[in-house]
Amino acid sequence: AQSVTQLGSHVSVSEGALVLLRCNYSSSVPPYLFWYVQYPNQGLQLLLKYTTGATLVKGINGFEAEFKKSETSFHLTKPSAHMSDAAEYFCAVSGGKLIFGQGTELSVKP
Amino acid sequence: EPEVTQTPSHQVTQMGQEVILRCVPISNHLYFYWYRQILGQKVEFLVSFYNNEISEKSEIFDDQFSVERPDGSNFTLKIRSTKLEDSAMYFCASRDTRTGTNTGELFFGEGSRLTVL
Repeated sequence: AQSVTQLGSHVSVSEGALVLLRCNYSSSVPPYLFWYVQYPNQGLQLLLKYTTGATLVKGINGFEAEFKKSETSFHLTKPSAHMSDAAEYFCAVSGGKLIFGQGTELSVKP
Repeated sequence: EPEVTQTPSHQVTQMGQEVILRCVPISNHLYFYWYRQILGQKVEFLVSFYNNEISEKSEIFDDQFSVERPDGSNFTLKIRSTKLEDSAMYFCASRDTRTGTNTGELFFGEGSRLTVL
């Protein structure tokens, strides 16, 4: 069975600071991994995905994530937070259906 | 760019009433899904649908729920007799399963917010 654990239900950073949202997965097969973002009262938007190949994946809005098989991790980072990055972020693993983590709410302070 | 569309965007209903949520998946996609997100909680899998039948369902998807593809474009979720705890955002998604393009990515609609009073 596959699962995803997101460490920290809420992360707060200052504008311009590094954003780090943690995600660990469990999968019996090589995983496809995803990060989705959800702005208030909106749907799910794909930020980035890892399927095969390069382990450092770049996504939209300056976000990137690195697949580390040895650590079963797929942490999301952004060098400099913007106020517009405030949202809920979901890590997900694909096993036919997508299995989502609990989500991490990112707050950005001015 | 092709997208998944859902209607209605918001529906308010009385407890015990039947509700049908509608989705138009991306054409050429063959796998369809419904997910649920109760306010402030995680996105939960309800059901997947392929080749005109349910391929997998969660324990949430009990006898009160059903899905249907009534024609070549629509994919519906029916809740037979709504309960207060069915209040949630319901997301439809579809997946491209063609060889060479299947990355496991699901394309989500904007969601249908269901409020049961």
